Amino acid sequence: EAGVAQSPRYKIIEKRQSVAFWCNPISGHATLYWYQQILGQGPKLLIQFQNNGVVDDSQLPKDRFSAERLKGVDSTLKIQPAKLEDSAVYLCASSLGLLGRQYFGPGTRLTVL
Amino acid sequence: EDQVTQSPEALRLQEGESSSLNCSYTVSGLRGLFWYRQDPGKGPEFLFTLYSAGEEKEKERLKATLTKKESFLHITAPKPEDSATYLCAVAMNRDDKIIFGKGTRLHILP
Repeated sequence: EAGVAQSPRYKIIEKRQSVAFWCNPISGHATLYWYQQILGQGPKLLIQFQNNGVVDDSQLPKDRFSAERLKGVDSTLKIQPAKLEDSAVYLCASSLGLLGRQYFGPGTRLTVL
Repeated sequence: EDQVTQSPEALRLQEGESSSLNCSYTVSGLRGLFWYRQDPGKGPEFLFTLYSAGEEKEKERLKATLTKKESFLHITAPKPEDSATYLCAVAMNRDDKIIFGKGTRLHILP
């Protein structure tokens, strides 16, 4: 069974630039999550999708972050413009049902200079 | 305020020295409590789900237990390959939210 795919694995940008991350969940998984994990911290949920719809985006900084899940499959997370404090690993996860066991991708390590 | 707290932050053990990691939570309406293992440079990997107080789950050298306010991850006779960060996550009935703790960094010395 293929796991959760994420790209790119690493990204270095200057502050105020834009960046986008892509996630392909496990086939058939209805729920998709984006997390931000700062070094030494646990993952912080940014947004949670159930199929195409947003279940929870209460911790997404909506002035600069946006996410979409087209056709209930792949998802993209965008940051525009990036700040220094956005440097982190961005994890994507998927699960069969809402708040079930999650399968995580390898993450994208973002460095903002 | 909904909160998940893990302790200790870091733990160093000799190989074979058993211990426990703690995850305490204050949330309104527990839907489930999850334990994950995270190796450096990788995404978390699922270990256990617990749903109700008194429930226990075991896998190799790991055993997870749940009470109304906390969960323990017991590690028996650990080996160096058990070194990792162990994360606890709580899913709540209210608003379908999930909160992760900061994790416990476990280092097993050979």
